Amino acid sequence: NAGVTQTPKFQVLKTGQSMTLQCAQDMNHEYMSWYRQDPGMGLRLIHYSVGAGITDQGEVPNGYNVSRSTTEDFPLRLLSAAPSQTSVYFCASRLTGQPNYGYTFGSGTRLTVV
Amino acid sequence: AQSVTQLGSHVSVSEGALVLLRCNYSSSVPPYLFWYVQYPNQGLQLLLKYTSAATLVKGINGFEAEFKKSETSFHLTKPSAHMSDAAEYFCAVSSYMGRRALTFGSGTRLQVQP
Repeated sequence: NAGVTQTPKFQVLKTGQSMTLQCAQDMNHEYMSWYRQDPGMGLRLIHYSVGAGITDQGEVPNGYNVSRSTTEDFPLRLLSAAPSQTSVYFCASRLTGQPNYGYTFGSGTRLTVV
Repeated sequence: AQSVTQLGSHVSVSEGALVLLRCNYSSSVPPYLFWYVQYPNQGLQLLLKYTSAATLVKGINGFEAEFKKSETSFHLTKPSAHMSDAAEYFCAVSSYMGRRALTFGSGTRLQVQP
């Protein structure tokens, strides 16, 4: 089925380790974004991309890197994990130029940093 | 700049009772407004959206919301709650300007009592 696929679903990291959260979509959506969800804070934007080769920072970008080499993929990298990055991460996409369209969300990655 | 305030982090209703979840927004330009629902351990699903057409918007599962510009509100309602409505609900705002990302409220957890 078409949609946004996130891997892995669960991950435990030790402080200082690095990892990449994967996000792929097959809907030809130019706009892709990463959010983190923390209790009582809703979802906060980490980074977003309006197309291949173009990325920009969101509300909480520190500690995270992104790149966009293809339309389909938008990986999120944690270079040196910290306990404050324990969260649920969601990738979302939509068509560029259509902010009135609903975003399609992945099922999330639950990350624990110990 | 844009922001969303959801009044009440937890709302409890009886099965069959009216559901009212409150959302107020702030936006310097005409907004696009959304309600998303999140069931336990799942991603976000679009319930309904306002995109400057009709001010009363009908969504899935019997939910509807009314855009009131004078009150900067977009409250979510359902005439009769069902046990399956128990979930967390997020109000979000976007616009056609700026980074055009979704800005979320902090969420309201709806409990439905038998």
